[in-house]
Amino acid sequence: GAVVSQHPSRVICKSGTSVKIECRSLDFQATTMFWYRQFPKKSLMLMATSNEGSKATYEQGVEKDKFLINHASLTLSTLTVTSAHPEDSSFYICSARSDRVFHEQYFGPGTRLTVT
Amino acid sequence: AQSVTQLGSHVSVSEGALVLLRCNYSSSVPPYLFWYVQYPNQGLQLLLKYTTGATLVKGINGFEAEFKKSETSFHLTKPSAHMSDAAEYFCAVSDNTNAGKSTFGDGTTLTVKP
Repeated sequence: GAVVSQHPSRVICKSGTSVKIECRSLDFQATTMFWYRQFPKKSLMLMATSNEGSKATYEQGVEKDKFLINHASLTLSTLTVTSAHPEDSSFYICSARSDRVFHEQYFGPGTRLTVT
Repeated sequence: AQSVTQLGSHVSVSEGALVLLRCNYSSSVPPYLFWYVQYPNQGLQLLLKYTTGATLVKGINGFEAEFKKSETSFHLTKPSAHMSDAAEYFCAVSDNTNAGKSTFGDGTTLTVKP
């Protein structure tokens, strides 16, 4: 149990285009999901907290107009990178917090975004 | 505020040797502590966690960690390293007052030599 999927696993897009990444909790409900960005050989940087049915809470320094987050259901959150630029290239990881086990996050496998 | 310090960005051990990955935390409230493992181009997998109760916690793949409040530490150990243990390891701290958000350490790369 407690499986989180991400789609796509890899995406290459051209500079100026937008790309959407999906995060799904497959066998549990998650009112809260988290979006992280990970640079090579670096730790995870929390970008935002996604709450079902309400606006996401962004961490300081994260552009909310550039990284659009939608949490439309208890099992799906999406991250849209708008007008992507090469510096947005990174590994994006989502996690979902079980509504039953407050302190535990279950991580998706990550999405490798490359902007050319 | 919370923080995590992982001492040693790179640790190298021989196969069969003891693995010790160090983690110190700072938290103003009772912490929840986690160790995760990450293989290349993959997400994070939970190895073990401490919330309350027994301070020595056992996890998957033979790993264990001990919560020491007096030392604000949560070091990860494994008696005998296996080649498949080579990966990136992250220590994280959270609590029940910050909406479940976790703060991660910078990670430790474990190399296992044959």
